[in-house]
Amino acid sequence: GNSVTQMEGPVTLSEEAFLTINCTYTATGYPSLFWYVQYPGEGLQLLLKATKADDKGSNKGFEATYRKETTSFHLEKGSVQVSDSAVYFCALISSASKIIFGSGTRLSIRP
Amino acid sequence: EAGVTQFPSHSVIEKGQTVTLRCDPISGHDNLYWYRRVMGKEIKFLLHFVKESKQDESGMPNNRFLAERTGGTYSTLKVQPAELEDSGVYFCASSQGSRVETQYFGPGTRLLVL
Repeated sequence: GNSVTQMEGPVTLSEEAFLTINCTYTATGYPSLFWYVQYPGEGLQLLLKATKADDKGSNKGFEATYRKETTSFHLEKGSVQVSDSAVYFCALISSASKIIFGSGTRLSIRP
Repeated sequence: EAGVTQFPSHSVIEKGQTVTLRCDPISGHDNLYWYRRVMGKEIKFLLHFVKESKQDESGMPNNRFLAERTGGTYSTLKVQPAELEDSGVYFCASSQGSRVETQYFGPGTRLLVL
């Protein structure tokens, strides 16, 4: 079946540090891949997406590349800010058109 | 324009009690979804309404959960009787079309069953 596995948190970094949150997936075919973010007190927001192999999704300084050979979609940012503190969810769309989420990674950035 | 709103934001109840969660979608959105995140694990799909009709309720865990969307506007999710394992965060989402990536999510209701 379809599943998404992402690194467990919490992840705590200092401001301006480099961020990587790992995400791997299991799916039939080649699903679209997503990163969602939930800031404190708000709903989940779509952060970025990639729809086919080697696509790179990017938004707000975050990037993730769809790697078919490693079934991965790791989230990266070169220099994090305090305002990036949130919970990040990796996800895919299944063949049944449902969103399959990972377990979420809480990110805290120290000033 | 207001986003998806959910009420209450938090609820603490005892095992065996009843709780009703409410979701107000974005105006004009025919599609409404319920999800839940239990014990800090992955967010899982519960069900999908198109207007007032249940399009897909394959994710509903058991018959203690009842979702309604009378009139095709707001939706309620009732848990009766609540069990300890129902604790978690319940998210609602809405969309105008059926493409899943166009869903707008609410902030969630955090439910704790003691």
